[in-house]
Amino acid sequence: DAGVIQSPRHEVTEMGQEVTLRCKPISGHDYLFWYRQTMMRGLELLIYFNNNVPIDDSGMPEDRFSAKMPNASFSTLKIQPSEPRDSAVYFCASRASGVSDTQYFGPGTRLTVL
Amino acid sequence: DQQVKQNSPSLSVQEGRISILNCDYTNSMFDYFLWYKKYPAEGPTFLISISSIKDKNEDGRFTVFLNKSAKHLSLHIVPSQPGDSAVYFCAANAGNMLTFGGGTRLMVKP
Repeated sequence: DAGVIQSPRHEVTEMGQEVTLRCKPISGHDYLFWYRQTMMRGLELLIYFNNNVPIDDSGMPEDRFSAKMPNASFSTLKIQPSEPRDSAVYFCASRASGVSDTQYFGPGTRLTVL
Repeated sequence: DQQVKQNSPSLSVQEGRISILNCDYTNSMFDYFLWYKKYPAEGPTFLISISSIKDKNEDGRFTVFLNKSAKHLSLHIVPSQPGDSAVYFCAANAGNMLTFGGGTRLMVKP
């Protein structure tokens, strides 16, 4: 079975540009999570969805960040405009309700904003 | 404030010996705890978990212990193997949300 799929794996962009990160959760999973990993703050939750509905976005750093989940098999995290301090590794994770609280992570997208 | 802490940033162990990784938490609402292993350029991989109603869970070479009164959990790896060298994160769940510790880099020397 395919795990969580993220694209692109690496993204290099210039300050002020729009960046879109993509995630395909594991089929049948109804929860989807976006995380960011930095040296300073470690792994932190940005937002999560349940059945395609955003439930908690308190971790989204500012209005430049937005996330959508138009259907059960696809989610995007968008940064507009991007800034150098957004450089980090962004992970997507998913889990199935009623089974356990275990989240399964994708390989991540390494974002570099110059 | 850090609700989940891993106070040892790194740990070095000889192959075949026991590795013990520790994690402390402050939030009494955490009801489920997990350990993840992470290799460079990969996402965290789930290793083992434990519910707050238990004090021990074992899976092969990996055992997680939970001491609720001390708000402390530990991961034991016996015997340690060079392939176990990675960064280990503990995570705690409350209300569908995971809070991660800062990670411990384990190095298992042949």
